[in-house]
Amino acid sequence: EAEVAQSPRYKITEKSQAVAFWCDPISGHATLYWYRQILGQGPELLVQFQDESVVDDSQLPKDRFSAERLKGVDSTLKIQPAELGDSAMYLCASSPEDREDTEAFFGQGTRLTVV
Amino acid sequence: AQTVTQSQPEMSVQEAETVTLSCTYDTSESDYYLFWYKQPPSRQMILVIRQEAYKQQNATENRFSVNFQKAAKSFSLKISDSQLGDAAMYFCAYRRGLTGANSKLTFGKGITLSVRP
Repeated sequence: EAEVAQSPRYKITEKSQAVAFWCDPISGHATLYWYRQILGQGPELLVQFQDESVVDDSQLPKDRFSAERLKGVDSTLKIQPAELGDSAMYLCASSPEDREDTEAFFGQGTRLTVV
Repeated sequence: AQTVTQSQPEMSVQEAETVTLSCTYDTSESDYYLFWYKQPPSRQMILVIRQEAYKQQNATENRFSVNFQKAAKSFSLKISDSQLGDAAMYFCAYRRGLTGANSKLTFGKGITLSVRP
């Protein structure tokens, strides 16, 4: 069964360092989402792509976060410099064409700890 | 802006019993979609059940069913014959539409469900 792949699963970094996360969505899924889930909270959208175009990045802290999906397939989320408050689970999700019966499929996430 | 509220942080149920998880939401839209997602420890989030707001009939999926009260903006999940594998964090989520930015999910804070053997 196809899955959303994310790497790394875990990342520990020192504050002020740069960190990057990678996501490979399910093949053929045009929409890709990056969510941030702080411990004990629900996920919150950081950025949404439709193919290679950004649809919504209103909640992305653009002074330190960047995201790209250059060929409309896999995606990278970068943080530079990392801050202690960035410690969270970063979830990637993808969904196929917009239909009522489609759903978002989530990866296992990358757990980031900033020390 | 849409909000989703899950006021119960934790719940516990005896194996084989029934449990209901509560969720309320706020929206000014008349058409939208509601979901319950399950997030087991160290596993990816998976869809449990979805409800289209225009459908009056409550959705059911095997042991999982919802009580959708549109006027009250309430969307509760009932798990019947609870199993040990049901132990997880459950999130209620709202989606405004199918396309573009409307397709993003807005989540509640989640509820941790434990199942006692």
